[in-house]
Amino acid sequence: NAGVTQTPKFQVLKTGQSMTLQCAQDMNHEYMSWYRQDPGMGLRLIHYSVGAGITDQGEVPNGYNVSRSTTEDFPLRLLSAAPSQTSVYFCASRSGLSGTDTQYFGPGTRLTVL
Amino acid sequence: GENVEQHPSTLSVQEGDSAVIKCTYSDSASNYFPWYKQELGKRPQLIIDIRSNVGEKKDQRIAVTLNKTAKHFSLHITETQPEDSAVYFCAANSGGGADGLTFGKGTHLIIQP
Repeated sequence: NAGVTQTPKFQVLKTGQSMTLQCAQDMNHEYMSWYRQDPGMGLRLIHYSVGAGITDQGEVPNGYNVSRSTTEDFPLRLLSAAPSQTSVYFCASRSGLSGTDTQYFGPGTRLTVL
Repeated sequence: GENVEQHPSTLSVQEGDSAVIKCTYSDSASNYFPWYKQELGKRPQLIIDIRSNVGEKKDQRIAVTLNKTAKHFSLHITETQPEDSAVYFCAANSGGGADGLTFGKGTHLIIQP
């Protein structure tokens, strides 16, 4: 199994541009989520999904959209990038919907918005 | 929602000594407390976790203790080695589980030779 994969690894955008960060997992996990990591801030939850067709907001959802058309994929969309969205983005998945299941992280996408 | 506080932000210890990182949480319904290790430029990796039905869990040099009454949990690393140098994050789930994990802000552990 490849586990949780993310593309691209690095991306530079100009303010106002749009892009999609890709996330996929091959472990048949129902639960997937997106976090952003900023220096000194830990990881903060952006959006999560408990299964195909179901998404919900986390702690910092503004400026981001998500969809879940399949169990495997959970893309994160930035419709109009802002410098405040410069961050490292991690996708994660876990096997069950119980909050006590182990969560696995992807390798991350480092995004810079100029 | 859940709030997780982590201390200290930086911890420097001599190689071979023990290191302790402490976290407190606010949601009394939280029942899962993982610890992640993150090396520079890498993804967070789970190193140990504890569920609320136990008070302590150990895995070789690493142990975690949980005090549900006081709402705090701690990571203990004994006989520290250079490869233990990294940033460590504690986390707690929200009571319902579906809301994901709330993370502390991290502790930069430095192992001095």
